[in-house]
Amino acid sequence: SAVISQKPSRDICQRGTSLTIQCQVDSQVTMMFWYRQQPGQSLTLIATANQGSEATYESGFVIDKFPISRPNLTFSTLTVSNMSPEDSSIYLCSVEGRGRYEQYFGPGTRLTVT
Amino acid sequence: AQSVSQHNHHVILSEAASLELGCNYSYGGTVNLFWYVQYPGQHLQLLLKYFSGDPLVKGIKGFEAEFIKSKFSFNLRKPSVQWSDTAEYFCAVNAPGRDDKIIFGKGTRLHILP
Repeated sequence: SAVISQKPSRDICQRGTSLTIQCQVDSQVTMMFWYRQQPGQSLTLIATANQGSEATYESGFVIDKFPISRPNLTFSTLTVSNMSPEDSSIYLCSVEGRGRYEQYFGPGTRLTVT
Repeated sequence: AQSVSQHNHHVILSEAASLELGCNYSYGGTVNLFWYVQYPGQHLQLLLKYFSGDPLVKGIKGFEAEFIKSKFSFNLRKPSVQWSDTAEYFCAVNAPGRDDKIIFGKGTRLHILP
């Protein structure tokens, strides 16, 4: 299985600021995914990031708010822009597993916006 | 749109008790089904999956799940739980005929009393 790390593991940020979350994988992967898990809610897919192309965003998520970079096959970043308390959540990075529909998840970044 | 319902948000059992966690999904076509587990302080990881074939699927650590197509269900079972099974369990579904997205349920927090 892939080993995925995320930085930072947690952060407390002020309203109106932005935070960039990094996701590093120990092997080359084509597809990387970013999820949000709000308190008491399920994991919600924000976007799919393929190397060399623009990220594909799910309904309700836009590039201006959640810009994503995917510069190579082992790394991606998600930025949460102009944060509000509603953005307080755990943000998870995941990658495709051995099977097409299997995914491996990172440890998550716990974000609190005050 | 696809959705996943997990009926139990919080389950408390004693060791050696039998476990069944309910999961229902809404999608009429072909589905892939998953159970993921997140142990305290650890990453989300795949417990078992169903793609096709035998509807009774065996996973790691003695877990199994049964796909009942007529009931749109994929319940997770374990005949005798251990304290180490304390974790959060997520049911998830993917509709391969539509897209690559995996839709997650809200999770069930399982607490095993020693």
